[in-house]
Amino acid sequence: DAKTTQPNSMESNEEEPVHLPCNHSTISGTDYIHWYRQLPSQGPEYVIHGLTSNVNNRMASLAIAEDRKSSTLILHRATLRDAAVYYCILRGYGQNFVFGPGTRLSVLP
Amino acid sequence: SQTIHQWPATLVQPVGSPLSLECTVEGTSNPNLYWYRQAAGRGLQLLFYSVGIGQISSEVPQNLSASRPQDRQFILSSKKLLLSDSGFYLCAWTRRQGAEDSPLHFGNGTRLTVT
Repeated sequence: DAKTTQPNSMESNEEEPVHLPCNHSTISGTDYIHWYRQLPSQGPEYVIHGLTSNVNNRMASLAIAEDRKSSTLILHRATLRDAAVYYCILRGYGQNFVFGPGTRLSVLP
Repeated sequence: SQTIHQWPATLVQPVGSPLSLECTVEGTSNPNLYWYRQAAGRGLQLLFYSVGIGQISSEVPQNLSASRPQDRQFILSSKKLLLSDSGFYLCAWTRRQGAEDSPLHFGNGTRLTVT
């Protein structure tokens, strides 16, 4: 399974945008980029995923580099409820979801 | 819409006792099913996955087993629990066709404490 690299932790101020980076230099052409988040004492929650083009949904935006070796999850206005561990995962055909340590996001009021 | 049910929410079991955790998915057919475990303060570890009835793949050797008696039912079992089996157990599913393009949906989890 292709690996991803994320910062261990990040801080943001409430109501400011947050850009969570993910490096995946060994990504293959058919790997999808998935993002999940895990709030304290809960199971992971799907956030967004994409293949090549940038994606937007009600929760976040996903910006994918042109060479696909990195991506950025964008939370447009962080709230206290966005404090969580964010996981960036690659998933290709026939592969499973392998969760790394993720990025722990703290949101300061 | 699809939903995933997992129970019980919490469980306290003595060492050496058996375990049975059940997960069911509604609103979809032929899902891929997964069991993950998260030890306290640790990451998610894939334990088992299944692509069909009776088809189980194990990722980690341990004293746990899984079964899929029906298309949308996934069961995690142990004959004798160890202290190290304590953790947060999560069931999840994805669409089977085009699974790499399908989000992984988790249940609410079972928090198991082995005493």
